[in-house]
Amino acid sequence: SQTIHQWPATLVQPVGSPLSLECTVEGTSNPNLYWYRQAAGRGLQLLFYSVGIGQISSEVPQNLSASRPQDRQFILSSKKLLLSDSGFYLCAWSGLARSTDTQYFGPGTRLTVL
Amino acid sequence: DQQVKQNSPSLSVQEGRISILNCDYTNSMFDYFLWYKKYPAEGPTFLISISSIKDKNEDGRFTVFLNKSAKHLSLHIVPSQPGDSAVYFCAASSNNAGNMLTFGGGTRLMVKP
Repeated sequence: SQTIHQWPATLVQPVGSPLSLECTVEGTSNPNLYWYRQAAGRGLQLLFYSVGIGQISSEVPQNLSASRPQDRQFILSSKKLLLSDSGFYLCAWSGLARSTDTQYFGPGTRLTVL
Repeated sequence: DQQVKQNSPSLSVQEGRISILNCDYTNSMFDYFLWYKKYPAEGPTFLISISSIKDKNEDGRFTVFLNKSAKHLSLHIVPSQPGDSAVYFCAASSNNAGNMLTFGGGTRLMVKP
């Protein structure tokens, strides 16, 4: 069965510090991968998605970047965090075929920028 | 412009009664719809989905209804249980958007014992 991991679970960082959140998927090959952010009291905002190694698409301009160095690894980064980067970050995966649109989410990372 | 909307930010229901969560969409190209359940500090978990070729899909206590002409879907939970208390997100996708999902803002369901 497929599993998705995210770490760390929680993170408190000062403004201006760098960020690296990691997501890995097991039990599937060549998944589509996604990074979302859930700000307090709001829905899920898609930040990045990837359909393959080295292929990243950004949905919103922001202070963050994403990379996919391996097939089942997706990394969310920032060089300098802003207060507005605080939120709950979720990684998700889905299959390639159109019939497998269901996305499956990881446990999330709670980021607080102070 | 929000293409998927959940107009009720919260809903309170008595245990054993029916919970009805609503979702409206504006993009007529959407042809696949999903509901997710999310507990605090956890990732959303997939609940149930429906294709636009159907108007109803049932899975245990959960039923999703789709009204394409009204661009409206709803999730019915019968009977509601306290463990159902969570935030529920509806999501939609279209054939020309690959596997991309557009999410609603969520509805917080509280089931009172």
